[in-house]
Amino acid sequence: AQTVTQSQPEMSVQEAETVTLSCTYDTSESDYYLFWYKQPPSRQMILVIRQEAYKQQNATENRFSVNFQKAAKSFSLKISDSQLGDAAMYFCAYRPPKGNSGYALNFGKGTSLLVTP
Amino acid sequence: DTGVSQNPRHKITKRGQNVTFRCDPISEHNRLYWYRQTLGQGPEFLTYFQNEAQLEKSRLLSDRFSAERPKGSFSTLEIQRTEQGDSAMYLCASTDRAYEQYFGPGTRLTVT
Repeated sequence: AQTVTQSQPEMSVQEAETVTLSCTYDTSESDYYLFWYKQPPSRQMILVIRQEAYKQQNATENRFSVNFQKAAKSFSLKISDSQLGDAAMYFCAYRPPKGNSGYALNFGKGTSLLVTP
Repeated sequence: DTGVSQNPRHKITKRGQNVTFRCDPISEHNRLYWYRQTLGQGPEFLTYFQNEAQLEKSRLLSDRFSAERPKGSFSTLEIQRTEQGDSAMYLCASTDRAYEQYFGPGTRLTVT
């Protein structure tokens, strides 16, 4: 079974600064997807960014970018110019090639991001 | 309809009672997933549907749990004889493609 590990239960960043959230995963597959989801206090999960494993180029979405190291099975999220609205739980998720669970996501335990003024 | 909706948002029940949750996916999304999220954890897969067919159930889904998706539209998740360990957030997600799931706001269940 695939496992996703987020080793930072909590992180703090000052407004306008940059923060990096870490994620590692374990898989024997070569074709898969990785995601970062944001879960604000209202609890609705929102997709932040996704990465296809076959793409070497790191994904970027505005202030959010990833550092995808396939050999190291590492997938970190960098948030630049942090804003108060970025405060939330961030979950790293792995989606395997189609298997028994039909593309269901495997999530890490999450990192709680606090943004201070 | 611009997103996945779930009802109720909160449910408090006494141990031993049955509860049912509803999920309305984004229109025309053919895949629907149920996850459970306990405090301090990430969501865990419970089951999924492709159209009306329930294709996989996690080992987390005990015999007290049942899910349906009649006509491939909305889905219901029923828990019979609830236990305190069932207290959690139950999340629903839908997708029309393999790689992007849209989540609902969840139903928070508290079993007293």
